[in-house]
Amino acid sequence: TQLLEQSPQFLSIQEGENLTVYCNSSSVFSSLQWYRQEPGEGPVLLVTVVTGGEVKKLKRLTFQFGDARKDSSLHITAAQPGDTGLYLCAGAQTDSWGKLQFGAGTQVVVTP
Amino acid sequence: ETGVTQSPTHLIKTRGQQVTLRCSSQSGHNTVSWYQQALGQGPQFIFQYYREEENGRGNFPPRFSGLQFPNYSSELNVNALELDDSALYLCASSSPDRPYEQYFGPGTRLTVT
Repeated sequence: TQLLEQSPQFLSIQEGENLTVYCNSSSVFSSLQWYRQEPGEGPVLLVTVVTGGEVKKLKRLTFQFGDARKDSSLHITAAQPGDTGLYLCAGAQTDSWGKLQFGAGTQVVVTP
Repeated sequence: ETGVTQSPTHLIKTRGQQVTLRCSSQSGHNTVSWYQQALGQGPQFIFQYYREEENGRGNFPPRFSGLQFPNYSSELNVNALELDDSALYLCASSSPDRPYEQYFGPGTRLTVT
């Protein structure tokens, strides 16, 4: 059972469109990470958010941590084929900082 | 800066056998975590090693064990392999001041037949 629920499970869009991926939980997390994973490879860290309400922007990617630190979102503006991949959210709780709990992931496909 | 490396890349074993997977942490990182990722799922935490000792364990049976060496590299050992152990095994390293910010290696794909 995944503590973090991601939605949607799959997203297929055209190049230039925007997309949002959601990560929700009933539990509070002290930090939340977003990763992108390519087939057969390890996840690559995109961002870490630690403060409720925090918003971080990395070029065309915007990450938000919910005020209650139970949810997060990833928004991609003007998606490109290179954004294709499995997006994973992972949270750490205060009593177990080193144990990341992952969502099942959202598979994003951006077609030219 | 050297990233996390893992070996071997792929491995095929028979049910009941034992396997050892290896990981070298990113330079400057002294904490190593291991995860199992089954097909279509997110990674599941197996355990973490810090200062050569196990520092947290997920819901995995004792036949999953590990070691960390003085150079911070690590091994994951799995005894009595089962078919359900087939998965991508991921190693991640982190620094002690930010243990939640973990950097992953490319993984070892284990197939148990």
